[in-house]
Amino acid sequence: GESVGLHLPTLSVQEGDNSIINCAYSNSASDYFIWYKQESGKGPQFIIDIRSNMDKRQGQRVTVLLNKTVKHLSLQIAATQPGDSAVYFCAEINTGNQFYFGTGTSLTVIP
Amino acid sequence: DTGVSQDPRHKITKRGQNVTFRCDPISEHNRLYWYRQTLGQGPEFLTYFQNEAQLEKSRLLSDRFSAERPKGSFSTLEIQRTEQGDSAMYLCASSLQGALHHEQYFGPGTRLTVT
Repeated sequence: GESVGLHLPTLSVQEGDNSIINCAYSNSASDYFIWYKQESGKGPQFIIDIRSNMDKRQGQRVTVLLNKTVKHLSLQIAATQPGDSAVYFCAEINTGNQFYFGTGTSLTVIP
Repeated sequence: DTGVSQDPRHKITKRGQNVTFRCDPISEHNRLYWYRQTLGQGPEFLTYFQNEAQLEKSRLLSDRFSAERPKGSFSTLEIQRTEQGDSAMYLCASSLQGALHHEQYFGPGTRLTVT
C-alpha cells in the first residue's frame, strides 16, 4: 500500500517565527500532493497543493516544496500566528485518484 | 463552517449494534466522500459517490459497512455489528464535478465510540 509519513509528531514555534513541517512519501507515481490543516473538532481544511511536475508553490504565508528525488514534501508557514495552531497533514493523490494521508504533525504556536 | 454537515456529531454504541451516520453535502456538490480517522492519524478513504453512483470503495470498507446516496444529495454510512475497532471519527467531504479531487470540503465528522 501507499505510505505517507511525517518526520515529527509535534512542533512548537514562537509567534512570528517561520514553521517548517516535513513529510515523506513512498509512491513516486502520485499526481498531486496536498497539505491540510485540522483544528480540534473540525474536519481537515485544504491549505495548498502542488502537482508532481512542480517543485515549489506559494500561497498566502505558505509555501510547499516538493523534492521528488528524495520523496520529500514540506510546508513552510511564514510569520506563524496563534491561529495556525492545529494538526497538519500531508496527503498524496495517486493516478487512481486515491487519497493517502500521512500521520499528522501538531503545531503549537507560543505567544 | 464549510457547509457540509454531519449528524450525529457523537455516537456511543455497544459492540454488536448497528449505527447509521448522515452527511449533507454542499447543495450544488455532486461528489461525496467518506473517510475514517483515528486519533493522530490522517483520514483514510472509505468510499466515494458521484451523484447517486458509488464509484470507488476502499479495501477498508468491509462487508459490515454500507454507504448509500439514494437521491444524489445526502448520504448515509451504516456500520453493522459494530466492533471496538470501528471507534473513530467518520468524516464526510463533498466537491463539485469537474473539480480536482483535492478540492474537497470536509464536514465536522461523527465521532463513534464502541464500548
